[in-house]
Amino acid sequence: DIQMTQSPSSLSASVGDRVTITCRASQGISNYLAWYHQKPGKVPKLLIYAASTLQSGVPSRFSGSGSGTDFTLTISSLQPEDVATYYCQKYNSAPLTFGGGTKVEIK
Amino acid sequence: EVQLLESGGALVQPGGSLRLSCAASGFTFIYSAMSWVRQAPGKGLEWVSGIDNTGDRTYYADSVKGRFTISRDNSENTLYLQMSNLRDEDTAVYYCAKLRSGVVVAATNYWGQGTLVTVSS
Repeated sequence: DIQMTQSPSSLSASVGDRVTITCRASQGISNYLAWYHQKPGKVPKLLIYAASTLQSGVPSRFSGSGSGTDFTLTISSLQPEDVATYYCQKYNSAPLTFGGGTKVEIK
Repeated sequence: EVQLLESGGALVQPGGSLRLSCAASGFTFIYSAMSWVRQAPGKGLEWVSGIDNTGDRTYYADSVKGRFTISRDNSENTLYLQMSNLRDEDTAVYYCAKLRSGVVVAATNYWGQGTLVTVSS
């Protein structure tokens, strides 16, 4: 099965900073990659699918890129409401594996 | 408004069985593939199982294969997860999830609030 590895596992940044999270697949998955965030005590929410397509209603400061094995989620200007754990998920084939998560905090 | 309402979570002994249900509304259920995702206390997300829109194709994580069965009743807009031979490591909040497509190879665009399954003696 394909493994999904996220890095870093946690980060602390200031409001307004540009934040980048990476996700690496152990084998190529084309662009079958989604990003979610889960705020404390809440259910996950879809941010991006097909590696770079912004889900409706998601702020434009979120963006995704990549294809094959290496993917990136970028928050262009970190806001206090972005405190959450971020997960990537591959969905090219079952099992639809999630990455281990990246916890984002405000410095 | 899409709503996914899980039920059936409980405290169960190791080796026991449980059936989770997810009542769906606010969208055309028969058009959407569905899945179950779980989250152990303080841990990350783990995909458990998926089913296509017709119910013809089902998929499982290795950790639950042979013990869990996913199914759906399109006439009742309900998703199920039958769990048997439960283990301590199955303890988690179980989320019902709607996929963006009728096939399982799709991102998840809606999540239920989750139901807690605790496996303990």
